[in-house]
Amino acid sequence: RKEVEQDPGPFNVPEGATVAFNCTYSNSASQSFFWYRQDCRKEPKLLMSVYSSGNEDGRFTAQLNRASQYISLLIRDSKLSDSATYLCVVNKGAFYNQGGKLIFGQGTELSVKP
Amino acid sequence: ETGVTQTPRHLVMGMTNKKSLKCEQHLGHNAMYWYKQSAKKPLELMFVYSLEERVENNSVPSRFSPECPNSSHLFLHLHTLQPEDSALYLCASSQDHPGRVSGTQYFGPGTRLTVL
Repeated sequence: RKEVEQDPGPFNVPEGATVAFNCTYSNSASQSFFWYRQDCRKEPKLLMSVYSSGNEDGRFTAQLNRASQYISLLIRDSKLSDSATYLCVVNKGAFYNQGGKLIFGQGTELSVKP
Repeated sequence: ETGVTQTPRHLVMGMTNKKSLKCEQHLGHNAMYWYKQSAKKPLELMFVYSLEERVENNSVPSRFSPECPNSSHLFLHLHTLQPEDSALYLCASSQDHPGRVSGTQYFGPGTRLTVL
């Protein structure tokens, strides 16, 4: 079983649509959780951290369910510029003097069409 | 954005060559990382340096040799690579604090490596 699993997509949606991405992780000792965005042939960039209480940043809402080991990302009113690959990321090893140990999902490709 | 820079951006090398990838972070961070991204595969963590000490070697073959001379610079020395080593190699950095979970990682643009 992969440590972090995502639906690879692609998700093809019209502008203005709401789209949801799901992710599961296998290691219950995982410390912190993120969504990164990666544009074609570019480096990953942090989109948002994910907290158990849920968090929102504009059109983006992230949720974490530790009991189910499940992470989600909701994008409302999608824009053409949202087209990218969205990476679910789990930090397994995360203490001072040890650095972080990020485990990436394979990514979910989103294409927003006019 | 120039927080994390990598050179060269593209590299083509033969299997008998020796080359080095360079990463520099301008963010004042104390941890640096090498990742490999192959086509259709998730990013794979290769090495972790924290406070200039290597704290993780994720079962990487010895033909990849990292070096961290100071907290701002990270190198990946390459020798006798195989064609399947062709990939995008990404460097990242983070700021870690005592007693807290490791900070957000910021990535460089990557070096696209082709091994012939």
